[in-house]
Amino acid sequence: AQKITQTQPGMFVQEKEAVTLDCTYDTSDQSYGLFWYKQPSSGEMIFLIYQGSYDEQNATEGRYSLNFQKARKSANLVISASQLGDSAMYFCAMREGLNTGNQFYFGTGTSLTVIP
Amino acid sequence: ETGVTQSPTHLIKTRGQQVTLRCSSQSGHNTVSWYQQALGQGPQFIFQYYREEENGRGNFPPRFSGLQFPNYSSELNVNALELDDSALYLCASSATRGGGDHKEQYFGPGTRLTVT
Repeated sequence: AQKITQTQPGMFVQEKEAVTLDCTYDTSDQSYGLFWYKQPSSGEMIFLIYQGSYDEQNATEGRYSLNFQKARKSANLVISASQLGDSAMYFCAMREGLNTGNQFYFGTGTSLTVIP
Repeated sequence: ETGVTQSPTHLIKTRGQQVTLRCSSQSGHNTVSWYQQALGQGPQFIFQYYREEENGRGNFPPRFSGLQFPNYSSELNVNALELDDSALYLCASSATRGGGDHKEQYFGPGTRLTVT
C-alpha cells in the first residue's frame, strides 16, 4: 500500500484565492510527522509546514496551514491568498517515528498553477 | 549557517558507465539521505548515512552505493548505469539526536543525471 497518496495531479487557482491540496497517509505507527514541500521548476525541495502526530492544533506557517484529520489519516495543505509565485509542484511526505534521521515517504505530487 | 550543496548540477553519462555524486550537509547536521526523483514522480528513498555508516536503505540494487566522510559530507555512487537511472538525485541532511527539531531535513538543489 502507498504510504502517501495525493490524488490531484494538477490544480488551478485564481490569484488571491485559497486552495486546498489533498494528502492521505497510511501508517500503523503512533508517532509520525507529516510534511509539505514545494518544488519549483529549479528542483530544490523547499520545506513549507510540519505536523506531528501528537499535535492537537493544526499547524500554520504564514499563508500555509495544514488541515490534520487524524482519524481520516488526511493532512491537507491549505494555501490562502494565492500568489503567482506559488505555482510549483507540491509534495506531501511522512516520516514514521520521531527520529529526525528516519526516511521520508513522498507522494506523487500536485502541480499547482496560479492564474492571474 | 551554510545550506546543503550538491555537485555537479547536471551530468550526462552513457549506459554502463559509473557516476559519483557529491553532497555537503548543512552545518551541524550529521545525517545524509539520498533520494532519486524520476520525471513526474515523488522522491524515492535510496539510503541514509549516519556516522559514516549506512543507516537504512530503500528498494535499490547494490550498484547504488554510498559513503559518508568524517565531515558528514557524502557521495552517491552508481555503477553500470542504466537508462532508467536518469533522474534528479536529491541529497537531504538532518541532525539525528534525541529531542531534535522534527523539521530538520533540508534538501539540496539536486543533481540531474541523464543516461544515454
